[in-house]
Amino acid sequence: DAKTTQPNSMESNEEEPVHLPCNHSTISGTDYIHWYRQLPSQGPEYVIHGLTSNVNNRMASLAIAEDRKSSTLILHRATLRDAAVYYCILIQGAQKLVFGQGTRLTINP
Amino acid sequence: DAGITQSPRHKVTETGTPVTLRCHQTENHRYMYWYRQDPGHGLRLIHYSYGVKDTDKGEVSDGYSVSRSKTEDFLLTLESATSSQTSVYFCAISEARGNSGNTIYFGEGSWLTVV
Repeated sequence: DAKTTQPNSMESNEEEPVHLPCNHSTISGTDYIHWYRQLPSQGPEYVIHGLTSNVNNRMASLAIAEDRKSSTLILHRATLRDAAVYYCILIQGAQKLVFGQGTRLTINP
Repeated sequence: DAGITQSPRHKVTETGTPVTLRCHQTENHRYMYWYRQDPGHGLRLIHYSYGVKDTDKGEVSDGYSVSRSKTEDFLLTLESATSSQTSVYFCAISEARGNSGNTIYFGEGSWLTVV
């Protein structure tokens, strides 16, 4: 299973941008990069995904390195509600889906 | 929201008793997963299913069994619960879409305490 590496924790201030990194040096050509987040006492929820090009949606942006060995989830203006654990995972069709420990994001008021 | 229902949502049981957690989906997705989550360990895959009666082990399958007799239901059984199985259990579903990758949908979790 392709693995990802994320920092254990990050901290930012409200209304500032947040850049959450993920390393996936063993990514294969057909792996999609997915991001999920988990709010306290809830199941994880989908945030965004991409293959090669940068992606934007209403929640966040995903910047993918040209060699695809790393990616960055960008929250443009963090709010207190963005405090969560963020998971980066590689997905290729149907497979055994293994999550890492994720990054715990703290937002300071 | 994806139609995923976990039951029971909360359960306290005694050591040595059998426990079954149920995951029910209304999305007709092919793939279903059971994860456990403990402090400091993130999400760990227990078992997963890629079709009716087709299941496989995950990272932490010891002490757990699963069954999937219908597309919509994926059961996780602790044959003889132990205190180390006290955890939050999450069910997830996904549908293989080769041109965009799977999006995974999670249930709300089942809190199990073994005393």
